[in-house]
Amino acid sequence: GAGVSQSPSNKVTEKGKDVELRCDPISGHTALYWYRQSLGQGLEFLIYFQGNSAPDKSGLPSDRFSAERTGGSVSTLTIQRTQQEDSAVYLCASSYDLAGSYGEQYFGPGTRLTVT
Amino acid sequence: GNSVTQMEGPVTLSEEAFLTINCTYTATGYPSLFWYVQYPGEGLQLLLKATKADDKGSNKGFEATYRKETTSFHLGKGSVQVSDSAVYFCALSDANTGNQFYFGTGTSLTVIP
Repeated sequence: GAGVSQSPSNKVTEKGKDVELRCDPISGHTALYWYRQSLGQGLEFLIYFQGNSAPDKSGLPSDRFSAERTGGSVSTLTIQRTQQEDSAVYLCASSYDLAGSYGEQYFGPGTRLTVT
Repeated sequence: GNSVTQMEGPVTLSEEAFLTINCTYTATGYPSLFWYVQYPGEGLQLLLKATKADDKGSNKGFEATYRKETTSFHLGKGSVQVSDSAVYFCALSDANTGNQFYFGTGTSLTVIP
């Protein structure tokens, strides 16, 4: 079946503009995760959703970042007033099981964000 | 808290060489451990996993054993191929802290013919 999809694949924006990144998880997956991967860095956890709620928002770097999930499916990550340090690849992943002990995460291809 | 530390790269090996990428972890509970691989231009995909102590995960010739006594999950392969060139990420998830995955910083592997 279809995997996790993300759009756009690439986004170039000017500093100060708002951007929205979209993630379509695998159908039926209840958990959804957002990560950020900066050049030469590992994966930075941003937020995860259990259904439509986000029990853990601790990874969001600032109040310019927000995310929502509707219908237990699609999620949108919004970055307001973008800064150059926001430039990174934003990865979305989903998993079927809520219990992390056996829930494999399936990753999307990512959105490469460049803030000029 | 939970964290993963993995061997820094980059690692460059000749084809058919033996590979080890070290990974150690810190966890408050009883984590599951994973290795993910990211091939050039592709997304992350699960390589192997182990959900309890002494389990061995294996896939595509790669192996890793969950060692609770040394809090380690080192990745190994007896004979690497050019096609194994990728970035490898060690990760853990701990049911006690919900569903958050903790990833290492990644180790870049290049295999030369």
